[in-house]
Amino acid sequence: DAGVTQSPTHLIKTRGQQVTLRCSPKSGHDTVSWYQQALGQGPQFIFQYYEEEERQRGNFPDRFSGHQFPNYSSELNVNALLLGDSALYLCASSLDMGQGSYEQYFGPGTRLTVT
Amino acid sequence: RKEVEQDPGPFNVPEGATVAFNCTYSNSASQSFFWYRQDCRKEPKLLMSVYSSGNEDGRFTAQLNRASQYISLLIRDSKLSDSATYLCVVNTKAAGNKLTFGGGTRVLVKP
Repeated sequence: DAGVTQSPTHLIKTRGQQVTLRCSPKSGHDTVSWYQQALGQGPQFIFQYYEEEERQRGNFPDRFSGHQFPNYSSELNVNALLLGDSALYLCASSLDMGQGSYEQYFGPGTRLTVT
Repeated sequence: RKEVEQDPGPFNVPEGATVAFNCTYSNSASQSFFWYRQDCRKEPKLLMSVYSSGNEDGRFTAQLNRASQYISLLIRDSKLSDSATYLCVVNTKAAGNKLTFGGGTRVLVKP
């Protein structure tokens, strides 16, 4: 049973460039959430996708956008990269149950460095 | 005030000892609570959910105090492999299915 996978594992970009990160959820999961984790801090919620739509968004600018595909995989796009965007980007998947504990399972992350 | 607050530590723990630490949350409507473990430069991994009645999983015990809005994690008979950062995580249904993380508590178990 495949867990959450993310690609690429590492990425180096220059300020002003654009980046696309990819995530495949755990088998059987239909919801994908994205988080940004700066060094020494806890993950910060970016947004969540369910049924190919953005359902919830955290306090991130419009430079951060995403997409979910019919197979539940997801992409995170960041435009006009800033040095401060350097972080570990984590994807988490879960199964929407309407009610329940909302346990989420994380992928290994993509480490983005902006120079 | 942060939504979820944790003592960053580090908690230096002798091998075999017991360590406990808390996490406070600000939103009284929070409904689901979790402890995640994160090793250096790795992804967070779900350690345990926290139930109202408290729950135990081997050497780990989690407690929830809704009146005072905190959860706790206790580790008994600490192993060297317990060295990690422990993330307190809260879900508030009204806020959708998003997890709010604390900054983490670092635990170092030493021989």
